[in-house]
Amino acid sequence: DVKVTQSSRYLVKRTGEKVFLECVQDMDHENMFWYRQDPGLGLRLIYFSYDVKMKEKGDIPEGYSVSREKKERFSLILESASTNQTSMYLCASSPQRGSSTQYFGPGTRLTVL
Amino acid sequence: EDQVTQSPEALRLQEGESSSLNCSYTVSGLRGLFWYRQDPGKGPEFLFTLYSAGEEKEKERLKATLTKKESFLHITAPKPEDSATYLCAVRHGGSNYKLTFGKGTLLTVNP
Repeated sequence: DVKVTQSSRYLVKRTGEKVFLECVQDMDHENMFWYRQDPGLGLRLIYFSYDVKMKEKGDIPEGYSVSREKKERFSLILESASTNQTSMYLCASSPQRGSSTQYFGPGTRLTVL
Repeated sequence: EDQVTQSPEALRLQEGESSSLNCSYTVSGLRGLFWYRQDPGKGPEFLFTLYSAGEEKEKERLKATLTKKESFLHITAPKPEDSATYLCAVRHGGSNYKLTFGKGTLLTVNP
């Protein structure tokens, strides 16, 4: 079974803090993704990575950066957290060949005060 | 621009009352249509992938079908544990990776 894990289920941070969200997958997938999900807006892609050290901006990259130093790990960084970044953050991974089905982690509910 | 529209936004059923959820899409060169189930506070769980018009996939009480413009998720004799948000997503021919998601249908099945 595909397993995608995220470092925290719930996180509370203060405005201006630097925040790290970690994601690990155990299926040797090439692609990894970070989304945020907000009521009424659905899932929106922040960044994705198709290989180690490679990344591409998604639809809403402003205020975020990412790091992928190892194939199995993809980190999302909020350089200076703001209240409008309060959201559910979802990590996903997919193989590069075949169906490219994305498999999601359990999510991190981030609250920025 | 790819568009995915799901309807209805919310659906309330009695246990055993069969119904369908709709996902209509506008995409150039469909490379896959995906259905996910999401429980409150959790990540989406993969259900099905459909690739071409006429294709059908089944899993327990769920059956997904695909035409050239839309997909249906049929729920036969639903149970309360089928209550969840169901998400539809498409991948188009110009992208190896990116999915475009609809906003989902919130299904509630009352006992």
